[in-house]
Amino acid sequence: AQSVAQPEDQVNVAEGNPLTVKCTYSVSGNPYLFWYVQYPNRGLQFLLKYITGDNLVKGSYGFEAEFNKSQTSFHLKKPSALVSDSALYFCAVRSFSGGYNKLIFGAGTRLAVHP
Amino acid sequence: NAGVTQTPKFQVLKTGQSMTLQCAQDMNHNSMYWYRQDPGMGLRLIYYSASEGTTDKGEVPNGYNVSRLNKREFSLRLESAAPSQTSVYFCASSEAPRGAIDTQYFGPGTRLTVL
Repeated sequence: AQSVAQPEDQVNVAEGNPLTVKCTYSVSGNPYLFWYVQYPNRGLQFLLKYITGDNLVKGSYGFEAEFNKSQTSFHLKKPSALVSDSALYFCAVRSFSGGYNKLIFGAGTRLAVHP
Repeated sequence: NAGVTQTPKFQVLKTGQSMTLQCAQDMNHNSMYWYRQDPGMGLRLIYYSASEGTTDKGEVPNGYNVSRLNKREFSLRLESAAPSQTSVYFCASSEAPRGAIDTQYFGPGTRLTVL
């Protein structure tokens, strides 16, 4: 079965420092991976996705993610964190079964960026 | 362009009451989804609709019914609400029909409390 794991409930980082939010996956076949962000009292917003090609994927708001097949990881990164990046981040993997495309989400990681 | 809209934003029900959550998208998307979000569990798929006129069960369909009224609208009904259905409900849509790898766009959510 397809699954994703986000090993950290919360990540704390100082403004201006680099940030990493971790995600590992388990899939059969080629993985199709996504990152979404949820700001307080809002729906999820798409950040980026990996389908194929370059292992470094660039997304919205200066975020990027590195796909590592050998480590089955898809960590989200940003070189310099902003206080406004504080939010809940979800990693997701596409699951294709029964002829339908679905997303399997991790439990989420809360990112807190301190001034 | 409103994207995905949901009504109501908040709702409090008593055990046994029924209600319908409404969702509409104006992006001409084929696929629509209903998720519930519970602390520490990420998002779990309740039902989805790959195209107008079709619906299918997701991970946690028990206690819910759905209707894909037309291409724009996808409603979720709780026939007899239970406290275990206290959650935040998100509707999402995506462009491609079944099988494609594409991005899902989320509504702002409905916060439901069942007493």
